[in-house]
Amino acid sequence: SQQGEEDPQALSIQEGENATMNCSYKTSINNLQWYRQNSGRGLVHLILIRSNEREKHSGRLRVTLDTSKKSSSLLITASRAADTASYFCATSGGSNYKLTFGKGTLLTVNP
Amino acid sequence: NAGVTQTPKFQVLKTGQSMTLQCAQDMNHNSMYWYRQDPGMGLRLIYYSASEGTTDKGEVPNGYNVSRLNKREFSLRLESAAPSQTSVYFCASSGQGANTGELFFGEGSRLTVL
Repeated sequence: SQQGEEDPQALSIQEGENATMNCSYKTSINNLQWYRQNSGRGLVHLILIRSNEREKHSGRLRVTLDTSKKSSSLLITASRAADTASYFCATSGGSNYKLTFGKGTLLTVNP
Repeated sequence: NAGVTQTPKFQVLKTGQSMTLQCAQDMNHNSMYWYRQDPGMGLRLIYYSASEGTTDKGEVPNGYNVSRLNKREFSLRLESAAPSQTSVYFCASSGQGANTGELFFGEGSRLTVL
C-alpha cells in the first residue's frame, strides 16, 4: 500500500518561479525523503528529513516536515528548465529496510 | 564509479517465458532492493535484501524470486512471465538501510511481456 501521496499530480510553471509540492502520509515515520526522476532515468536522492526535524535546506531546495499533520512540502526556488522531472516523496518507518514511495508530482518548468 | 548497474536495459518476453534481471552495485552497500514502476502507481517494492544472505518480500512479491548472490549482486527472476509484469524495474542499494540513508538507483530495466 502506498504510504506517501504527492499533491499536485502535475505542476507547470515558468522558469524563475518557485515550485511547491506536498506529500501526505498515513502512519508514523522515522524519516521522509524526496527523490527526483528525469524522464526515462532512475531516481536520484535529493534530501532526507528525520522525524525530529522540521525544516531542511539543500541549495535551492527547502523541505519542511509537520509530523502532527503527517505532511511534508518540497520547495524549489528560482526554478530552471532543467528542474523538469517527476518528484517523489518516500517514507521510512517501522522496518529498517522498507522505503515506501508516493505516486509522484510531474513538474514542468517552461523556459 | 558505476554505482548501481542493471542489465538488460530492455527486454521483450512472451507470456510464460522466464528471465532474470541482474543488478550489481560497487558501493559496498549492505542493503539492496527491487522495485517496479507502473504508470500512475509510483514505485512498489518487490523484494529486498537487508544484508548478504537474507531476502524478504516487499509489497508485490507474487510471480518473482530473488537471489542475493553476494554483497554486490542481487538478481530478480520471473519464472513464468505474465502481461501484468510489463513494467519498469529498478534496482537500488543503501549503505545504512532505508531507515537512515538514501537509496541509490540503477537506470531501470524496461520489460514488456506479450
